[in-house]
Amino acid sequence: QQPVQSPQAVILREGEDAVINCSSSKALYSVHWYRQKHGEAPVFLMILLKGGEQKGHEKISASFNEKKQQSSLYLTASQLSYSGTYFCGTPRPLNSGANNLFFGTGTRLTVIP
Amino acid sequence: DVKVTQSSRYLVKRTGEKVFLECVQDMDHENMFWYRQDPGLGLRLIYFSYDVKMKEKGDIPEGYSVSREKKERFSLILESASTNQTSMYLCASRPGQGFLLVPSPLHFGNGTRLTVT
Repeated sequence: QQPVQSPQAVILREGEDAVINCSSSKALYSVHWYRQKHGEAPVFLMILLKGGEQKGHEKISASFNEKKQQSSLYLTASQLSYSGTYFCGTPRPLNSGANNLFFGTGTRLTVIP
Repeated sequence: DVKVTQSSRYLVKRTGEKVFLECVQDMDHENMFWYRQDPGLGLRLIYFSYDVKMKEKGDIPEGYSVSREKKERFSLILESASTNQTSMYLCASRPGQGFLLVPSPLHFGNGTRLTVT
């Protein structure tokens, strides 16, 4: 039930754009995105709650397609500070008693000058 | 700002030792979690706790136990450390969920990198 992220890794030059995808085999009602910089704690970026909803954080935005059971994270005009590993999280089944997240395997993003 | 503090950034232990990883949060959060992070596998849930003295198994609880005697502190215990438990361990917390449908954001500590030799 772990969501699948793609690509696993990407290298960008400053100013370039990137897209990170997160797909689930289960129906989704929300998707969460986190970023972890090297040697630091993962930090919450945003939650997407409704199908088609887009949210933004800095120049990072995301969309959520309930029908396709996937979310995409868009990094526009990337900056060096965007480097890190990005994780998506999808809620576990409500009857699991956890109200918790399955995390994807992560996408390592490296922005070079 | 929520602060989640893990007592050690790096630990080196020998096979068979009993290992304690400590985590403290300062925001009176009901829920606390222990994750393990390995390359290519992402974050996997070991155990979580939704209240003092309450605990639930996550996806990979084998070889681990936890203790939550006080609301702010959640300890992960490796009863007899093995080399396959060499990993990065992350603690996280968040407010209680009540009947909320959507999990609220997690606040993570900086992690403890454990090496078992």
